[in-house]
Amino acid sequence: ELKVEQNPLFLSMQEGKNYTIYCNYSTTSDRLYWYRQDPGKSLESLFVLLSNGAVKQEGRLMASLDTKARLSTLHITAAVHDLSATYFCAARDDKIIFGKGTRLHILP
Amino acid sequence: AAGVIQSPRHLIKEKRETATLKCYPIPRHDTVYWYQQGPGQDPQFLISFYEKMQSDKGSIPDRFSAQQFSDYHSELNMSSLELGDSALYFCASSSRDIGYEQYFGPGTRLTVT
Repeated sequence: ELKVEQNPLFLSMQEGKNYTIYCNYSTTSDRLYWYRQDPGKSLESLFVLLSNGAVKQEGRLMASLDTKARLSTLHITAAVHDLSATYFCAARDDKIIFGKGTRLHILP
Repeated sequence: AAGVIQSPRHLIKEKRETATLKCYPIPRHDTVYWYQQGPGQDPQFLISFYEKMQSDKGSIPDRFSAQQFSDYHSELNMSSLELGDSALYFCASSSRDIGYEQYFGPGTRLTVT
């Protein structure tokens, strides 16, 4: 059964710093998703990673996938306050399973 | 640009009633996903459709059913509503042509009293 673990679950960091969110999944998955959610709002898709070694970047966010280690990372470079949100990863076998989310709070 | 449309945006029902939520995907997207998010919870995948056929099935209760119609819109039918069904219901659309990236609707907030 596919399980997805995300860590850390809470992260408070200073603006300008770098940090990484980790997403481990337990069985073979053919897609790895990263989403952002602001309080009370819908989900926003950030990245979809399909193959081993895939790396995608958008602004200060970069996601990567290592299918052999069953690990995806979301790296935040030089964080800014606007990136404060909850970030979810999700993996797919024949259903999509979400991690518990990382609540990111960036201090000015 | 057209986005995913969900209706209604808010819905209040009583226990044991039925509800129908609708989702209109972005034009030319062939895949629709349904998610449920309870208060303070992480999203739960319910079900998805590709080209009007069910593709993946998640934690959708037997009391719920869904389908995708010939115009690609989808409906989530919920019967014998329970208090625990109170949640935000999101729909997303996607296509293989865009690398399976999902575009989400604003959600329907269902309150069961």
